[in-house]
Amino acid sequence: GAVVSQHPSWVICKSGTSVKIECRSLDFQATTMFWYRQFPKQSLMLMATSNEGSKATYEQGVEKDKFLINHASLTLSTLTVTSAHPEDSSFYICSARWEDRETYEQYFGPGTRLTVT
Amino acid sequence: GQNIDQPTEMTATEGAIVQINCTYQTSGFNGLFWYQQHAGEAPTFLSYNVLDGLEEKGRFSSFLSRSKGYSYLLLKELQMKDSASYLCAAIDSNYQLIWGAGTKLIIKP
Repeated sequence: GAVVSQHPSWVICKSGTSVKIECRSLDFQATTMFWYRQFPKQSLMLMATSNEGSKATYEQGVEKDKFLINHASLTLSTLTVTSAHPEDSSFYICSARWEDRETYEQYFGPGTRLTVT
Repeated sequence: GQNIDQPTEMTATEGAIVQINCTYQTSGFNGLFWYQQHAGEAPTFLSYNVLDGLEEKGRFSSFLSRSKGYSYLLLKELQMKDSASYLCAAIDSNYQLIWGAGTKLIIKP
C-alpha cells in the first residue's frame, strides 16, 4: 500500500510554455500533499503544501502565480509551471501524507524531471 | 529557528559498518524520519522514531535521543547498493517535515 504516482516522468518544453505535473495517491486518500523541487546535488526544497479543497500554502520565495497548485480530490494534486524558463529546469517530486496513519510519514512519487529549453 | 544538521559526505568500505548522525532543533517534536535517496530518484522511507531508543530493521537501525535532539542511522554489512544520500527529517509541532541537507554515502570496494 501507500503508492504515489507522478506523471509525466520527464518532460522537455520550450521556454514560455506551461507544464502540468500530476501527483496521485493510488491506494489511499491524501488530504495533504507536498511539492518539492530538487536541483542537482542539492537537498529537497519544499515548494508548497497542498490541501484538498483549499488553497495551497507556499514556502517563502516560491511564486504562487508561477507554480499553480490544485488539489481537487483526495487522490490528485497538480502542479502547473507557468511560463517556464530554463532556470525552472529541475527534479520535481510530490509526496502524500496518509492521514489515517499517525506516523505522518510522507510517501513520495517517483519524481518528474523538467527540462526547459 | 528550525535546523537539521548532518554530515555532507561520508565514505565507508563494503562489508563495514557506518553511522550517520543527525542533530535537530525544531519547534516542537513529533518524530524523526530517515529516508534513502539514490541519484535521480525520489526518497524512499527507511525508518521512523518517536520514542527514545534503537529501532532495528534488518541491516539498518535508527536511534533517537529526544533530550539531546540527536539521531543516528546505522548501516551494517555495507553493500555497494547502499551508496546513496541519506536524509534526516524531523516533524515539528505543526506536523511539517523539516529536512536536513542529506549525507552522501560513498561505498568503496
